[in-house]
Amino acid sequence: ELKVEQNPLFLSMQEGKNYTIYCNYSTTSDRLYWYRQDPGKSLESLFVLLSNGAVKQEGRLMASLDTKARLSTLHITAAVHDLSATYFCAVDGWGAQKLVFGQGTRLTINP
Amino acid sequence: NAGVTQTPKFQVLKTGQSMTLQCAQDMNHEYMSWYRQDPGMGLRLIHYSVGAGITDQGEVPNGYNVSRSTTEDFPLRLLSAAPSQTSVYFCASSYGRDNEQFFGPGTRLTVL
Repeated sequence: ELKVEQNPLFLSMQEGKNYTIYCNYSTTSDRLYWYRQDPGKSLESLFVLLSNGAVKQEGRLMASLDTKARLSTLHITAAVHDLSATYFCAVDGWGAQKLVFGQGTRLTINP
Repeated sequence: NAGVTQTPKFQVLKTGQSMTLQCAQDMNHEYMSWYRQDPGMGLRLIHYSVGAGITDQGEVPNGYNVSRSTTEDFPLRLLSAAPSQTSVYFCASSYGRDNEQFFGPGTRLTVL
């Protein structure tokens, strides 16, 4: 059974600081997705990582995938308040985008 | 493009009632999925489809049926609603397994 675990589950940080969210998964996969969700809203796709060593960056967010370690990271650089949200990773363990989601990391960025 | 649309936005059912949650997309996406989101549990896949006429079960399919007669539509049917099905339901679509999923706005369902 594929399990996906994120840590931390809650993160409060100051503007301007850097931090990393970790996503570990239990079985082999080379497809991993990151999403953002604002309170009471739907999910927005951030990154699709399709191979070992994949790295993608958008603004202050950078995601990477290490399939051998079964680990993806979402790094936040010089955080700003607008990045406050819940971040989810999801793993495609079987193909066909049959995704298993992590529990989510609720990120709060304080001025 | 309207993207992924879901109706209704809110619904209250009594235990034992049945209903259909509607999902449609106008992006000609082959892949469509239904998820439920419960507090503290992330999203869980209910059913998914890789094209018209093709559906398969996800992680939590019991109590739900789907069909995919057209590329655009992917309705989710609750056969006999139970309080455990109280949740927020999201529909998503994508071009394929290597592509990002686009999510609908969600349906908040309460079963009394």
